[in-house]
Amino acid sequence: EPEVTQTPSHQVTQMGQEVILRCVPISNHLYFYWYRQILGQKVEFLVSFYNNEISEKSEIFDDQFSVERPDGSNFTLKIRSTKLEDSAMYFCASGTGRMTEAFFGQGTRLTVV
Amino acid sequence: GESVGLHLPTLSVQEGDNSIINCAYSNSASDYFIWYKQESGKGPQFIIDIRSNMDKRQGQRVTVLLNKTVKHLSLQIAATQPGDSAVYFCAEIRSNAGNMLTFGGGTRLMVKP
Repeated sequence: EPEVTQTPSHQVTQMGQEVILRCVPISNHLYFYWYRQILGQKVEFLVSFYNNEISEKSEIFDDQFSVERPDGSNFTLKIRSTKLEDSAMYFCASGTGRMTEAFFGQGTRLTVV
Repeated sequence: GESVGLHLPTLSVQEGDNSIINCAYSNSASDYFIWYKQESGKGPQFIIDIRSNMDKRQGQRVTVLLNKTVKHLSLQIAATQPGDSAVYFCAEIRSNAGNMLTFGGGTRLMVKP
């Protein structure tokens, strides 16, 4: 069964460092997303990406964040200068179209120290 | 305030009983709803969805009911099994908000053997 894969599963970084979280969405999907979940809290939307551009972003997704689809298979989230409060699980998701379910990866646990 | 929310944070049921998890939403523009299951350390897993032009949808052992009059959504799990133990989130997509999923706060379902 096709699935969204994310690497690494756990990333520890020092405050102020840049991190890149990687995702391989399901191959025939066209819509890509990043969500995050701070420990014990609900899942929060960060950004959606379609047709090689950002289609929506939340207030969380400020200038420190960027996304890229560098080739036909990868979808990355970059945090330029990490803060302690960026510590969370980051989930990549993909979907086939508007108003359809999003399939989530297993997540990357980001710990900023 | 939060558009999508849950009535109970924890639900404990006996194995074999039916479970009902509830969710309230406040935005009339919400026209697509999804229930996700999240096991510890994993990403949200799609369970079932429903569009606003429906009031009931059934899957394998699960049923989602939508009451648009009172803006209420429920997930019914028949013959609950230990493997159903997880946190359940309802999520919505609003017709005026692209493809962004807005998640509720989650209900933890605990199944007692």
